[in-house]
Amino acid sequence: DIQMTQSPSSLSASVGDRVTITCRASQSISRYLNWYQQKPGKAPKLLIYAASILQSGVPSRFSGSGSGTAFTLTISSLQPEDFATYYCQQSNSFPYTFGQGTKLDIK
Amino acid sequence: QVHLVQSGAEVKEPGSSVKVSCKASGDTSNNYTITWVRQAPGQGLEWMGRITPGLRVGYHAQKFQGRVTITADTSTSTAYMEISSLRSEDTAVYYCARLHTFLLTGYFYAMDVWGQGTTVIVSS
Repeated sequence: DIQMTQSPSSLSASVGDRVTITCRASQSISRYLNWYQQKPGKAPKLLIYAASILQSGVPSRFSGSGSGTAFTLTISSLQPEDFATYYCQQSNSFPYTFGQGTKLDIK
Repeated sequence: QVHLVQSGAEVKEPGSSVKVSCKASGDTSNNYTITWVRQAPGQGLEWMGRITPGLRVGYHAQKFQGRVTITADTSTSTAYMEISSLRSEDTAVYYCARLHTFLLTGYFYAMDVWGQGTTVIVSS
């Protein structure tokens, strides 16, 4: 199975900050990388697919980059509704493994 | 627009089985794939498996070999995930989600529509 490792595991930031979360794959996954946002008690929400393509309806302050084994999710200017847990997931090969998550909370 | 509705919460004893359903409504041509993901309390997301109802082709992660069965009933647009020999470690919220195919320079797959989740508690 492909192992996905996110860093940091948790992050404190303020409204308006620029935030970057990193995800690394244990082997090359090309651009088969998705990002999800999850709020407490809710199902995950797809933010980005194919490493950098914004899902319909997702604000443009979210962006993704990377290919191969290294990827990043950037939020350009944090809004109050962005405080949540973020997961990367590879869709290169089954099983479609997730990173362990990055919890973003208010400083 | 596809909408996924899951069955209600379950409390089960260790060693028993549970079957969670996921009914699709809206644009259900059966030409879609349903995946199952679980989340133990306070933990991250764990991908369990998937099924393409129209093709009756399923796959589950090796970790669940022999304990998890993923099926679908195309006549009711419903997918099912059954776990046998339940253990306390199976206590989790179980989600179904549509695995959508995005056609770009190739085929890319992501879970774009999710069910509301089903809580399964395994306790004696």
